[in-house]
Order: sequence, then C-alpha cells, then structure tokens
Amino acid sequence: DIQMTQSPSAMSASVGDRVTITCRASQGINKYLVWFQQKPGKGPKRLIYASSTLQSGVPSRFSGSGSGTEFTLTISSLQPEDFATYYCLQHNNYPWTFGQGTKVEIK
Amino acid sequence: EVQLVESGGGLVKPGGSLRLSCAASGFTFSTYNMNWVRQSPSKGLECVAFISTSGDSIHYADSVKGRFTISRDNARNSLYLQMNSLRAEDTAMYYCTRDCMTTVTPFDLWGLGTLVTVSS
Repeated sequence: DIQMTQSPSAMSASVGDRVTITCRASQGINKYLVWFQQKPGKGPKRLIYASSTLQSGVPSRFSGSGSGTEFTLTISSLQPEDFATYYCLQHNNYPWTFGQGTKVEIK
Repeated sequence: EVQLVESGGGLVKPGGSLRLSCAASGFTFSTYNMNWVRQSPSKGLECVAFISTSGDSIHYADSVKGRFTISRDNARNSLYLQMNSLRAEDTAMYYCTRDCMTTVTPFDLWGLGTLVTVSS
C-alpha cells in the first residue's frame, strides 16, 4: 500500500497567516491527490482534487500543488473558519490511502 | 438538497453483525460510484469498500475482506454495508461517500457518518 505522510501533524497559526501543509507519498502517484478539510462532528469536505484543482465553492485562498511524491496545500490568509484538520488522499493505486491529518489550531 | 444520510450504527459485541444504510438524495444515485470510508482515533481515515454504479465492480480493504459486503439498490437510492464477524478494531465512524464521475475523482460528497462500537 502507498503510505501518505503529512507534515506537520499539528500547528498553531493566527488569522491572516499563510499556512502550508505538506503531503509525501511513498511512491509516485502522478497528480492523483485530493485534499480534505474536517471540522469536529462533521464528515470531511473536499477542497482540492487532481493536486491543484479547486472544488467548486471553495474559497480561492486555498491552493494545491505538486506531482509525483510531494504535494502542498496552502492557505494564503488563514480565516477563523479555516481552523480544522486537513487530510490528503492518494487515488493512484488501490487501496486509496489517506495521510494522518494536520490539525490547524488558533495561536 | 444533495446529501447522504447514514444509519444503522450502534453497539455490538465482538463476533456480531450490523447492517449500515446510506440514503442518497438530490442527485441521480444510479450514475455514481459509491464507497464506505471509516475513521477511528487509532487508524485515522480508511477506505473500506467501493461499488460501481451497477455493482459489477467491487473492492474491499484487506482488513474487512470476507467479513463485510457492500451493496446498493438504485431503485431505492440506497447504499448498504453488511458487517459480519465484527472485531474491536472495526470500531469507528462510518461514512458513505460519493465519487465525482465527471472528473473521475473520489469522495466529492460525504455524509455525517454513523458510529459503530464493537465491545463486550
């Protein structure tokens, strides 16, 4: 199975900060990478697919990049509603596998 | 409103069975591949099972193969997960998810989940 490793596991940030989360795959996955946001008590919400394509309705402050084994999710200016846990998912090889998550907390 | 609503979770003893259901609404269910994904504090998010639009293609995680069965009823807009021989490690929140067929990418819609607890 492909292992997905996210860093950091948790971080503290302030409103307005630029935030970058990294996801590394144990082998190449082309651009078959999806990012999700999850808030307490809710199911995950898809933010980005195909590494860099923004899901309809998602604010443009979210962006994604990368291919092969290294990917990043960037929030250009953190807003209060962005405090949540973020997950990456690879769907290049079955079984599709998730990263362990990055919790973004208020500083 | 486009939504998925799971039901059927609960407390069950090891070795027991449960059947989860997922009711889809607001979209043409029969034209979407569907999945079950679970989440636990110990293992994080894990893809459990996949079923194609007509049910002719099915995949399972190795951890549930032979114990779980995914199925669907397109006439009832419903997805199911029959879970047998349950173990403590199956304890998790179970989510019903939809694949995006236009972009061929996974999990563009999730339900709120249903909690399964396996304990004596």
